[in-house]
Amino acid sequence: AQTVTQSQPEMSVQEAETVTLSCTYDTSESDYYLFWYKQPPSRQMILVIRQEAYKQQNATENRFSVNFQKAAKSFSLKISDSQLGDAAMYFCAYRSAEAGGGADGLTFGKGTHLIIQP
Amino acid sequence: SAVISQKPSRDICQRGTSLTIQCQVDSQVTMMFWYRQQPGQSLTLIATANQGSEATYESGFVIDKFPISRPNLTFSTLTVSNMSPEDSSIYLCSVRRLAGGGTTDTQYFGPGTRLTVL
Repeated sequence: AQTVTQSQPEMSVQEAETVTLSCTYDTSESDYYLFWYKQPPSRQMILVIRQEAYKQQNATENRFSVNFQKAAKSFSLKISDSQLGDAAMYFCAYRSAEAGGGADGLTFGKGTHLIIQP
Repeated sequence: SAVISQKPSRDICQRGTSLTIQCQVDSQVTMMFWYRQQPGQSLTLIATANQGSEATYESGFVIDKFPISRPNLTFSTLTVSNMSPEDSSIYLCSVRRLAGGGTTDTQYFGPGTRLTVL
């Protein structure tokens, strides 16, 4: 079974600064997807960014980018120019690219609580 | 993205009773998922619900406790049966949908149902 580890229970960053959230995972599969989700106090899960394992290029979405290191099984999220609205729980998630057999759902890490200091 | 609604948004229930949570999606989807988020914890997949077939349950979850219906491609229900305080959690519905012009496959979440069992 796959596991996802987020070793930082909480991170704090000054507004407008850059912060990196760490995520590592364990899998024997070669093809899979990785995600970062944001959960603000409203509890709505919001997709931040997505990475396909077969792509070498790191995904970017405006101020959000990832550092995907497949050999190291590492998938960190960098948030540039942090804003107050970025404050939330951030969850790293894994999904197999194989269909069926329970491989279709997401496996989540425990989350990192991001605090933005004004 | 996907517009997903859940009913109820929250409920307080007595031990030993059952609650049915509804999930409605704005368009047809093949795969729907139910997750549980216990207080202060990450999300755990309960089951995958495909229209026209029995739900597939993850380890630790059983049909007698969490029966699921999937009558059509836009709707699903999750019942939490014979509730105990340990069932107090947020229950989230999720769907997979193609995004990015049909080139990427992403998972979206409903707003969740906050259940408190006394």
